[in-house]
Amino acid sequence: AQSVTQLDSQVPVFEEAPVELRCNYSSSVSVYLFWYVQYPNQGLQLLLKYLSGSTLVKSINGFEAEFNKSQTSFHLRKPSVHISDTAEYFCALTGGFKTIFGAGTRLFVKA
Amino acid sequence: EAGVAQSPRYKIIEKRQSVAFWCNPISGHATLYWYQQILGQGPKLLIQFQNNGVVDDSQLPKDRFSAERLKGVDSTLKIQPAKLEDSAVYLCASSFTGESLWEQYFGPGTRLTVT
Repeated sequence: AQSVTQLDSQVPVFEEAPVELRCNYSSSVSVYLFWYVQYPNQGLQLLLKYLSGSTLVKSINGFEAEFNKSQTSFHLRKPSVHISDTAEYFCALTGGFKTIFGAGTRLFVKA
Repeated sequence: EAGVAQSPRYKIIEKRQSVAFWCNPISGHATLYWYQQILGQGPKLLIQFQNNGVVDDSQLPKDRFSAERLKGVDSTLKIQPAKLEDSAVYLCASSFTGESLWEQYFGPGTRLTVT
């Protein structure tokens, strides 16, 4: 069986502070890993993905995530957050043609 | 490029009634997904189509839910009869083939309220 666990349901942080959203997964087959973001009143959109190659992947708006196979993790980080990063973030995996999402982490950036 | 289209955006029905949702994926996307997202939870895959064939429907409650993708383009998801616990946002997504095979593009969703 496959699973995705997002360890924090809510993460409040002050603007310009660093943030880490944690994601752990379990799978008996090789997986592709994703972070999707859902801004208030908008649809889900892909933030970044790990398919193969370099284990560190980056988005255009400053987020990065590192695939750690030994720890079965794919944590999302940003060194300095903005108010506009307030959103819900979902970690997801695809393995064996099945896609599973985590429960989501609500990032709330305070001024 | 036009995104994934879904309709209606909102629907309120009484329990035991039936309802249908429509999805039009991005042109050329062979794979289409239907998800159920209950408030406070992540999306749960209900069914995945590759062209007009079903790849995975293991989490689709087949006694009340059905889905079809005729001609490998548009898709409809039906619930009959609806239960209170079906209240959720129903998301449609599609993906291309090749390198971006696993990158899913989501529609705005249909918010269903069952009273």
